[in-house]
Amino acid sequence: ETGVTQSPTHLIKTRGQQVTLRCSSQSGHNTVSWYQQALGQGPQFIFQYYREEENGRGNFPPRFSGLQFPNYSSELNVNALELDDSALYLCASSLNPGDTYEQYFGPGTRLTVT
Amino acid sequence: GNSVTQMEGPVTLSEEAFLTINCTYTATGYPSLFWYVQYPGEGLQLLLKATKADDKGSNKGFEATYRKETTSFHLEKGSVQVSDSAVYFCALSGPMDTGRRALTFGSGTRLQVQP
Repeated sequence: ETGVTQSPTHLIKTRGQQVTLRCSSQSGHNTVSWYQQALGQGPQFIFQYYREEENGRGNFPPRFSGLQFPNYSSELNVNALELDDSALYLCASSLNPGDTYEQYFGPGTRLTVT
Repeated sequence: GNSVTQMEGPVTLSEEAFLTINCTYTATGYPSLFWYVQYPGEGLQLLLKATKADDKGSNKGFEATYRKETTSFHLEKGSVQVSDSAVYFCALSGPMDTGRRALTFGSGTRLQVQP
């Protein structure tokens, strides 16, 4: 069974640029959630996708957007990058979106905005 | 809204010492509660979970009991090892103000175990 994978591992971008991060969910999981983890902080919920539809969103501006594909893999897009967007971006998949279903995390993408 | 508060670190212990990391929460309804662990340079790994009041989650010698009356989910281990050195996150899964569900994390507690 393949776990959650993310690409790229590290990324350096300039303020104002756009970035796309990718996530492959664990086999059989139809729900993907994205989190932003600033240095020394806990992860903050960005949004969740369930069967290709957005299923909830945290307190992030519209320049954070996402997609989920028929194979349940997902993308996180961030437009007009700001310095504060520098963080570890974590993707997590689960069997279903309910509370009792564990979320399994990928290793993350470290984004640095200069 | 939902929130999780956990004790600040770092927590420094000698090998074989007893560990307690405190976690309290505020949530609507009856959330599920989790402890995740993050080793240096890695993503989050689920350590244990509890889905209803008085449930005890356990894994790898770690335990936590869902206490609804005190809204707490403290993590304990009887004898820590150097390999337990990591950052531990308490989290809850429950409905947000929008009605949707998501994991809400505490700020993490760094554990350092010395030989």
